[in-house]
Amino acid sequence: AQTVTQSQPEMSVQEAETVTLSCTYDTSESDYYLFWYKQPPSRQMILVIRQEAYKQQNATENRFSVNFQKAAKSFSLKISDSQLGDAAMYFCAYTERGAQKLVFGQGTRLTINP
Amino acid sequence: DAMVIQNPRYQVTQFGKPVTLSCSQTLNHNVMYWYQQKSSQAPKLLFHYYDKDFNNEADTPDNFQSRRPNTSFCFLDIRSPGLGDAAMYLCATSRDQGETQYFGPGTRLLVL
Repeated sequence: AQTVTQSQPEMSVQEAETVTLSCTYDTSESDYYLFWYKQPPSRQMILVIRQEAYKQQNATENRFSVNFQKAAKSFSLKISDSQLGDAAMYFCAYTERGAQKLVFGQGTRLTINP
Repeated sequence: DAMVIQNPRYQVTQFGKPVTLSCSQTLNHNVMYWYQQKSSQAPKLLFHYYDKDFNNEADTPDNFQSRRPNTSFCFLDIRSPGLGDAAMYLCATSRDQGETQYFGPGTRLLVL
């Protein structure tokens, strides 16, 4: 079965600095998608960024970018110029084309220090 | 804006008293999902609908049921809530299976 592992339960960063959240996954499939979702305290789960496995180029969304290493099955999220509003639980997730399930990692709680 | 809406945002019920949570979407997505999320944990999939086809997770208790009367609406029924069912319930949609899921704001259920 596919698994997603986030090895950092908690991370903290100074405002305006850069932080990288780690995610590894295990699959034997070749056609899949990877996601980072952000969930602020008591607030909605929001899609931050999405990566399609067949695309070699790393996805970017403004201050958010990923380092997708397909051979290593690694999918880290880099947040540049961290802002107080970035404080949240971040979930890495995996799914396959046509699959019924979204497989989540355990989550990383990110704190931004002013 | 196209979105996923959940009502109510907070629900208080009594032990054993049936409760229904609702979800609606304006995205016209084929798939609708219900997740249970407990504090600081990843969401746990309960079941999902692909159009009218219902797909239950093997470990979802019988106490949890769902209805999807049309494309836009999906309901989660908890027949006899126990204290352990207190959680955040998230609804999500996707255009097709295996595609990006978009989440609603959730309903926080408290069982007294």
